Amino acid sequence: SQTIHQWPATLVQPVGSPLSLECTVEGTSNPNLYWYRQAAGRGLQLLFYSVGIGQISSEVPQNLSASRPQDRQFILSSKKLLLSDSGFYLCAWSQRGGTNYGYTFGSGTRLTVV
Amino acid sequence: RKEVEQDPGPFNVPEGATVAFNCTYSNSASQSFFWYRQDCRKEPKLLMSVYSSGNEDGRFTAQLNRASQYISLLIRDSKLSDSATYLCVVNTGTGGFKTIFGAGTRLFVKA
Repeated sequence: SQTIHQWPATLVQPVGSPLSLECTVEGTSNPNLYWYRQAAGRGLQLLFYSVGIGQISSEVPQNLSASRPQDRQFILSSKKLLLSDSGFYLCAWSQRGGTNYGYTFGSGTRLTVV
Repeated sequence: RKEVEQDPGPFNVPEGATVAFNCTYSNSASQSFFWYRQDCRKEPKLLMSVYSSGNEDGRFTAQLNRASQYISLLIRDSKLSDSATYLCVVNTGTGGFKTIFGAGTRLFVKA
């Protein structure tokens, strides 16, 4: 069966520090991968999605970036965190092709920038 | 107008009650529809897909009205464990790239 792993679960970082969140998927090949952010009490905001290695699309301009160095690995990064980067970051995957597949989310990283 | 709109909530219901969540979407080209459940401080989890013919899974019934661009979720015989936020999700493109999440409706089921 397919599983998605995301770490760390919780992170407290100072303003201006770098960020690296990692997500890996097991049990499937060529997944579509996504990074979402959920601010406290708010809905999900799509940050990045990827259809393949090295292929990244950004939905929202910001100081974050994403990379996909391997088929089942998706990384979210920042060179310098802002206070407004605080939130719940969720990685997700879906099957390639078609529209009838839901998403499976990782357990999320709760980031607090102080 | 938001692309996906849900009842703002929260809904406070007693155990055993029937509760209905409503959702409207703006893009008539939307192709697939889902309900997700999100527990406090957890990730969203797929509850059920929504099909044109309507579908049922135990106490949960989902319906889609394409003409009115409306989706619903009905929970019968509410349990305490049903307390969560319910997210309406609409996919307007292929490959999941145009998946829009509603803001969610919070449900509190009380004993």
